[in-house]
Amino acid sequence: DIQMTQSPSTLSASVGDRVTITCRASQSISSWLAWYQQKPGKAPKLLIYKASSLESGVPSRFSGSGSGTEFTLTISSLQPDDFATYYCQQYNNYPWTFGQGTKVEIK
Amino acid sequence: QLQLQESGPGLVKPAETLSLTCTVSGGSITSTTYYWGWIRQPPGKGLEWIGSIYYSGSTYYNPSLKSRVTISEDTSKTQFSLKLSSVTAADTAVYYCARDLGGGYFVYWGQGTLVTVSS
Repeated sequence: DIQMTQSPSTLSASVGDRVTITCRASQSISSWLAWYQQKPGKAPKLLIYKASSLESGVPSRFSGSGSGTEFTLTISSLQPDDFATYYCQQYNNYPWTFGQGTKVEIK
Repeated sequence: QLQLQESGPGLVKPAETLSLTCTVSGGSITSTTYYWGWIRQPPGKGLEWIGSIYYSGSTYYNPSLKSRVTISEDTSKTQFSLKLSSVTAADTAVYYCARDLGGGYFVYWGQGTLVTVSS
């Protein structure tokens, strides 16, 4: 299985901050990576697919980059609605696997 | 607007079989592009892909669960189902059904249903 490792596990930030979350794959996954946002008690919401493609309806302050084994999710200016947990997911090889999550907290 | 809704018992006894159904509305499960998947999340933990089914009936399972999992579809009822046998407390989780557009990532999700394994 491909292991996905996110860092940091928890991130404290303020409204307006630029935030970057990293996801590393244990082997190359080309650009087959998705990012999700999850709020407590809710299903995950797709933000980014194919490493850098923004899902329809997702604010442009979210962006993704990377290929191979290292990827980043950036929130250009953190908004109150963005405090949540973020997960990366690889879909290069079965079984699809997720990172352990990064919780973005209010500083 | 596509909607997915999980249903099934919220409590299952150890060693028994967990059975859940996902009902799809606002769309067809017979599209040649889509896969339909199950993902679970133990309380306070991360996400685990359980498996997916293609409209043709082809299935893909997580090897860690493969010996216990069956995913099937009922196209006439626009539903697909999950069965997980010989459950233990480690199978306690929120179970989500979701649609994969054929790429491997999940765009539409159900709201999730908590299944607790306990005697």
